[in-house]
Amino acid sequence: GAGVSQSPRYKVAKRGQDVALRCDPISGHVSLFWYQQALGQGPEFLTYFQNEAQLDKSGLPSDRFFAERPEGSVSTLKIQRTQQEDSAVYLCASSLASILDSRNQPQHFGDGTRLSIL
Amino acid sequence: AQKITQTQPGMFVQEKEAVTLDCTYDTSDPSYGLFWYKQPSSGEMIFLIYQGSYDQQNATEGRYSLNFQKARKSANLVISASQLGDSAMYFCAMRDLLNTGFQKLVFGTGTRLLVSP
Repeated sequence: GAGVSQSPRYKVAKRGQDVALRCDPISGHVSLFWYQQALGQGPEFLTYFQNEAQLDKSGLPSDRFFAERPEGSVSTLKIQRTQQEDSAVYLCASSLASILDSRNQPQHFGDGTRLSIL
Repeated sequence: AQKITQTQPGMFVQEKEAVTLDCTYDTSDPSYGLFWYKQPSSGEMIFLIYQGSYDQQNATEGRYSLNFQKARKSANLVISASQLGDSAMYFCAMRDLLNTGFQKLVFGTGTRLLVSP
């Protein structure tokens, strides 16, 4: 399809396990974002890439969270030693916007990965 | 810091009627963008409409319009002729346009809209 693709759709892990969530952005989109959405809340920003460069990781809640986008396309969000409070929907979004282009572009979101930590 | 406030946890509307979803914001940025997204129960976030802080006219996209009142710092979404498929969560969001290295969206807590036949 032409949209943002995230996998897996659902992930259940035991507390203490490591998990990896994948995001495949829209082709040609230079900007990629990760958000965390707790139940009943709006999404909260985690981190932002432009191509392979991670320009903003101010929203990552702890050093257990790590994101990468090594070739400037697919991105992986990794959570180490998961805890129950990590249970949430993790949304990935991509955009045509770049830091050199001040025109606004909307972010297009994937369906998210629902992570449950037991 | 930017902040979005959506004070209506839930709204009800009858099919074919218009409904207004409230959004107020707070920012010290001189240039910013305001967005509305729809999130059905299936979970995807669907972009609806955008308003730039320096846009002279209120944005419209089909049945969606944005009632932008800059002095009051409000950006309410108006949905005309509601349809059953409009039942979903609606999120207001904003981002800084001046500092292009900071492109994150700041979201409100959302309003759940239920459209009845």
